[in-house]
Amino acid sequence: AQRVTQPEKLLSVFKGAPVELKCNYSYSGSPELFWYVQYSRQRLQLLLRHISRESIKGFTADLNKGETSFHLKKPFAQEEDSAMYYCALARDRNKLVFGAGTILRVKS
Amino acid sequence: DVKVTQSSRYLVKRTGEKVFLECVQDMDHENMFWYRQDPGLGLRLIYFSYDVKMKEKGDIPEGYSVSREKKERFSLILESASTNQTSMYLCASTGITDTQYFGPGTRLTVL
Repeated sequence: AQRVTQPEKLLSVFKGAPVELKCNYSYSGSPELFWYVQYSRQRLQLLLRHISRESIKGFTADLNKGETSFHLKKPFAQEEDSAMYYCALARDRNKLVFGAGTILRVKS
Repeated sequence: DVKVTQSSRYLVKRTGEKVFLECVQDMDHENMFWYRQDPGLGLRLIYFSYDVKMKEKGDIPEGYSVSREKKERFSLILESASTNQTSMYLCASTGITDTQYFGPGTRLTVL
């Protein structure tokens, strides 16, 4: 069965510190993975997808098939990064299975 | 710019009432989704529609039904609302790409 695990409910870091939001998945095929973000009082939106291999707002995520992980990283956290982050795995017909989410709190 | 709108931001209903949640998208997207969002559980797929009048159960369809009579509109129906259906409900759509575009959400409270 497809499953996405985000082990941390809350991650609290100081501004300027590195950030790593963990995501592990289980999937028998070739996975397509995404990170979605929800800022306060805004709608959920796509942050990045593993296929594009791009950096968005300083965030990157590398797919590690050996460890079945897709951790989200940023070298220097900013206060505006505070949000809820969801890791998601694609199924058929564009359906997604989401992790439980991690709240990132960046303290000044 | 893709726009997904939901009919209400906040809704309060009583146990046993029939509840309609409406979602409209303006980008001619084929696929539309209904999720519920609960703390500690993330987003869970309730129902999915890949075309007009076509629907498919998601992971937690019990107690819900859907209707898609027009391509731009996807309705979620709670036939007889119960307190355990108190939640945030999110609608989303996708077109040619697999990016899901979300609505602002409807926070439903069932008393």
